[in-house]
Amino acid sequence: GAGVSQSPSNKVTEKGKDVELRCDPISGHTALYWYRQSLGQGLEFLIYFQGNSAPDKSGLPSDRFSAERTGGSVSTLTIQRTQQEDSAVYLCASSQTSNSPLHFGNGTRLTVT
Amino acid sequence: RKEVEQDPGPFNVPEGATVAFNCTYSNSASQSFFWYRQDCRKEPKLLMSVYSSGNEDGRFTAQLNRASQYISLLIRDSKLSDSATYLCVVKPRSSGAGSYQLTFGKGTKLSVIP
Repeated sequence: GAGVSQSPSNKVTEKGKDVELRCDPISGHTALYWYRQSLGQGLEFLIYFQGNSAPDKSGLPSDRFSAERTGGSVSTLTIQRTQQEDSAVYLCASSQTSNSPLHFGNGTRLTVT
Repeated sequence: RKEVEQDPGPFNVPEGATVAFNCTYSNSASQSFFWYRQDCRKEPKLLMSVYSSGNEDGRFTAQLNRASQYISLLIRDSKLSDSATYLCVVKPRSSGAGSYQLTFGKGTKLSVIP
């Protein structure tokens, strides 16, 4: 069946511009996560959505980062006024429940010039 | 001490060799443990969960030592296709706030050489 879909797969943007990253989770998965992975680094937790509960935003690195999940399905991660240190691969994952294994999308490779 | 620590490698081993990766974690309240595999420029994929009694899946064996806060992954009869980065992943607790947050190690790179 269809896996987690992310778009765009690559994004190059100029410093100071806003970007929006999209994640389409596996149908029926109630939990959705955003992580980012910088070169040579481990995955860094950003935000978690579970059903209709308030999201856990504790991993967002600054107030320039925000995310929403509409209708319990598609999620968008928005980065305002991008900085060079935002360059990373942004990975979205979904799971059937919060205790189920995570299924990752292919990621969006963001480069801020 | 980092939350999840792994030897970054790289481990370069010949085909057919047995190789072991180790991982230590700092949070003694951690409840669930996993090994994920990540191919170059690809997303991580679940390889196997790690159970207290140890578990085996074909050529792969995972073990957990709670007393030492240590997890291991053993790969027997290495194949070229095993070349990847292996991520140690820890889940803090079974329920409550933050229970869903997986903490990933930086990974151990394995290259299996013909």
